[in-house]
Amino acid sequence: DAEITQSPRHKITETGRQVTLACHQTWNHNNMFWYRQDLGHGLRLIHYSYGVQDTNKGEVSDGYSVSRSNTEDLPLTLESAASSQTSVYFCASSEAGGGKETQYFGPGTRLLVL
Amino acid sequence: AQTVTQSQPEMSVQEAETVTLSCTYDTSESNYYLFWYKQPPSRQMILVIRQEAYKQQNATENRFSVNFQKAAKSFSLKISDSQLGDTAMYFCAFMKQGAQKLVFGQGTRLTINP
Repeated sequence: DAEITQSPRHKITETGRQVTLACHQTWNHNNMFWYRQDLGHGLRLIHYSYGVQDTNKGEVSDGYSVSRSNTEDLPLTLESAASSQTSVYFCASSEAGGGKETQYFGPGTRLLVL
Repeated sequence: AQTVTQSQPEMSVQEAETVTLSCTYDTSESNYYLFWYKQPPSRQMILVIRQEAYKQQNATENRFSVNFQKAAKSFSLKISDSQLGDTAMYFCAFMKQGAQKLVFGQGTRLTINP
């Protein structure tokens, strides 16, 4: 069955370190998204991609970057981790248009920045 | 920019009762989609139901149904014959047609008591 996976599921790091969170989907979806979930804020969009070599900034993109070299993967990099980036991170994917924009989510990565 | 508001941070009902979760949104768009996602304690985001704004008929999925009032910009979720497994956070989300990005509300924590 097609799925979307995230790794690691839990990560502890120190401030200033670079961290990369992986997202891999086997749906063959063109669209991929990264969200963060914080108490009182719901999910907020960090970055998104509509296809290979395409990346776009979302609502809360400062301190994060993504790259899309193939259809299946959209890794999220925290360039220099900060305590404010302690959060739960969700990756999602969807087909492109045609009424098929429903997003399917990965299981999430809990990140703690000390 | 679109905003989504869920005015009930927490709700609690007895098993087998019917419960309605509220959601309002603000947009100047005419064509869009609305979603309800469920997040159980496992943190997995699960699609519950989806509504296309151009459809007058309210969407239903088994025990889940919506009351979509386009003029009032209201999109409530009704859960009938509630079950213990319905205990979760519920998020309302908005997507402008063609934008393929979700805007989430803050969530409602629903507890079903035995």
